[in-house]
Parts: sequence; structure tokens; C-alpha cells
Amino acid sequence: GENVEQHPSTLSVQEGDSAVIKCTYSDSASNYFPWYKQELGKRPQLIIDIRSNVGEKKDQRIAVTLNKTAKHFSLHITETQPEDSAVYFCAASSGGYQKVTFGIGTKLQVIP
Amino acid sequence: GAVVSQHPSWVICKSGTSVKIECRSLDFQATTMFWYRQFPKQSLMLMATSNEGSKATYEQGVEKDKFLINHASLTLSTLTVTSAHPEDSSFYICSADDGISGNTIYFGEGSWLTVV
Repeated sequence: GENVEQHPSTLSVQEGDSAVIKCTYSDSASNYFPWYKQELGKRPQLIIDIRSNVGEKKDQRIAVTLNKTAKHFSLHITETQPEDSAVYFCAASSGGYQKVTFGIGTKLQVIP
Repeated sequence: GAVVSQHPSWVICKSGTSVKIECRSLDFQATTMFWYRQFPKQSLMLMATSNEGSKATYEQGVEKDKFLINHASLTLSTLTVTSAHPEDSSFYICSADDGISGNTIYFGEGSWLTVV
């Protein structure tokens, strides 16, 4: 089955700096890579996703890159703000109604 | 985006009793729903895939007789934790694929279960 590794597990940045979270996956059939933000006690919220036919996607301060050859994908948050503090999960799926495998999560703390 | 509603949000039950959690797709039909369990400060672990009109598919290590899943309609899946024990206390989250957003999955609000 799919195995998704995520690092770092914790990340502290100063407000205004950038944050980068990296993930790797094992199943070459995976073609959908969503990123979720989860605040304590709440459901994960999709913040951005990327599909295997795209190498990079950007949405305001958030960007995701995908390297299918290396099976790597990363989340980049620029100009971080305190409200960006949360746990971020990467995930991988092979599409359709296939299950989604999550990374272990990264606890991001943005220091004002 | 599509809406998935989960109920109850919080539930406390006594050891040995059963508790049912509902997951509803409010504005779309979901032939497949997923049930996850999340322990504090840990990731989401898939428990089972719920298929409308057929038996659920359980992940390795998940007891199907303890975690009963019923997906009797295209908008409702239920998870029943039977003979609950304190170690079953966790955050349970369901998700569903609306089938039209190209794999985008939508999560329910989650249900905090505490077994005392």
C-alpha cells in the first residue's frame, strides 16, 4: 500500500518568514496530492491540492510543488501569519474512490 | 464545496455500551465514504471504506465486529462502536468523495468519543 512520509514534525517560524513542509510517497500510481490544515479539535480543511499532471500550483501565499520522478511534494507558505499556526497534513491518493493516505502531520507555529 | 455533516460532535459513554456516529452527505450522493480515527497529536488513520449497499472494507488491524459500519443509503453512513472501552476514546472523522470534483474529499466535523 501507499506510504506517505512527512517532515518536519514541528516547525517554528517568525511571522513574515516562509515555511516549507516536505512529503514523499511510495506508490507510483498515486496521482492526487492534497494538503490539509487542521486546527485543534476541528476537521481537516483542504488548503490546496495538486494532481500528477501538474508540477506546481499556487494560491496566494500557498504553493505546492510535485516531483513525480522523485515522488516528492512540498507545501510552501510565504509571509506567514499567526493564524497559519496549525497542524498540516499531506496526503496521497490514486484517485477515483481510492483511499487517501495521510502523512504524520507537521505542527506549524508562527511566532508573532 | 460539498458538505459532509457528522453527528454527534461530542459523545461520552460508559464502558461496555455502544455508540453510533452518523455521517451524512448533505448536497451530494456518496457511494463511498471513509472512516478515520485520530488520536491526540497523531495523524488520521483510515479504519474502513464504507460502500453503499455492500459490506465495508476494513483496514488491517481494525476489528469489523467492534466497529460496525452501515451505508444503507447514498447519503448516510454510520459507525457503531460496540462494547466501547476507554482505549476507544478518540476523534472519529468521516469523509466522502462527491465524485465530481476530481478526487476532492470532504470531511465531516468529526466526533469526539470519550469512554468512561
